Amino acid sequence: DTEVTQTPKHLVMGMTNKKSLKCEQHMGHRAMYWYKQKAKKPPELMFVYSYEKLSINESVPSRFSPECPNSSLLNLHLHALQPEDSALYLCASSQEGLGLAVGGYTFGSGTRLTVV
Amino acid sequence: AQKITQTQPGMFVQEKEAVTLDCTYDTSDQSYGLFWYKQPSSGEMIFLIYQGSYDEQNATEGRYSLNFQKARKSANLVISASQLGDSAMYFCAMSGAAGNEKLTFGTGTRLTIIP
Repeated sequence: DTEVTQTPKHLVMGMTNKKSLKCEQHMGHRAMYWYKQKAKKPPELMFVYSYEKLSINESVPSRFSPECPNSSLLNLHLHALQPEDSALYLCASSQEGLGLAVGGYTFGSGTRLTVV
Repeated sequence: AQKITQTQPGMFVQEKEAVTLDCTYDTSDQSYGLFWYKQPSSGEMIFLIYQGSYDEQNATEGRYSLNFQKARKSANLVISASQLGDSAMYFCAMSGAAGNEKLTFGTGTRLTIIP
């Protein structure tokens, strides 16, 4: 299994809603990431988990709350979002060291989020 | 801090021709990795090729090759014999060599293959 699976593929939520994005990989990768991508822009890093611990938070607002329940799962909990948070949210995983040459950082197909 | 620069916002190339997408980078790290990704309109980021900073040979993967010139800090992607399915956004990116760090992207090049 060489995939990163993200669900849901599309999500529309109101500004008062609570929702969660899910990401799963079974490649044994020990680092997992959340990226946010606005239209016509490159992806921007939000969070990095390494060995199930949060290692990088790129000063993301607290309305985004990441969670890593185990080495295969990564969640992003959303609460009280703003319309400007509408974007493509990409999950990725990576294998450290020499593994980078084989598959790089492996990305999921993303969740297209619309906040209304 | 790491920085990636892609100076070609868009390119149009005739089918079956070779195409070179430019990428320059800046970093103070001695050990780093360089990547190219393809993003079709559907949104997924597809890994194409990787070059480690200490790799002496240019990386190749099928029709993709990476022209790595370390002294000039450039990592251009060469696609040979372009196909209609190559039309997409292409991102150059870099990270540290550990494999669990921030992946920094350039602004991308929109490649369109003309039949």
